[in-house]
Amino acid sequence: DAGVIQSPRHEVTEMGQEVTLRCKPISGHNSLFWYRQTMMRGLELLIYFNNNVPIDDSGMPEDRFSAKMPNASFSTLKIQPSEPRDSAVYFCASSPGGTNSPLHFGNGTRLTVT
Amino acid sequence: AQTVTQSQPEMSVQEAETVTLSCTYDTSESDYYLFWYKQPPSRQMILVIRQEAYKQQNATENRFSVNFQKAAKSFSLKISDSQLGDAAMYFCAYRTPYSGGGADGLTFGKGTHLIIQP
Repeated sequence: DAGVIQSPRHEVTEMGQEVTLRCKPISGHNSLFWYRQTMMRGLELLIYFNNNVPIDDSGMPEDRFSAKMPNASFSTLKIQPSEPRDSAVYFCASSPGGTNSPLHFGNGTRLTVT
Repeated sequence: AQTVTQSQPEMSVQEAETVTLSCTYDTSESDYYLFWYKQPPSRQMILVIRQEAYKQQNATENRFSVNFQKAAKSFSLKISDSQLGDAAMYFCAYRTPYSGGGADGLTFGKGTHLIIQP
């Protein structure tokens, strides 16, 4: 089991540029979550999918953020245009069915917007 | 909405000693799940231990155990025989049973930075 795989591990971009973060969940897990971690706000849930369908995106901060899950093995989080305040670590996590299961996290993408 | 509070931003303990990290939460639900995650400097989120609210018995995983007080909405983590490798941020998290109408995922506390003194 390779675990949840995120890419890239680090991303540095200039303000105004488009950023795409990628995630491959653990095979067989039907729930996928995107989190953002900052010193000020801690870990925040941005959006989650169940069986590839977005269920709750109320945590997405602005329309500049969008997420897709075209199939069970791939998801993207896109920021367009990026701003310096988007700098954070973005985690993807997956979970099998049933909320008694823990979330399995990827190693995160550290995004720096200059 | 559920909230999770970790009142200790930082804790320090001597190697081989025991330390307890505090966590309280607020919920109106009777059935839910609680977790402790560890985040070392590598930033990987590692599951330490989990507890189902309907179980009265406290969960234990080797040197890690919890003190779950449902009425008090308290979920503390005890680390026995602390080791240098235990140094990390520790996050308490709450998960509600999936109701089909949303509200899934983990709600995290702000974390406790644990320092191990050699």
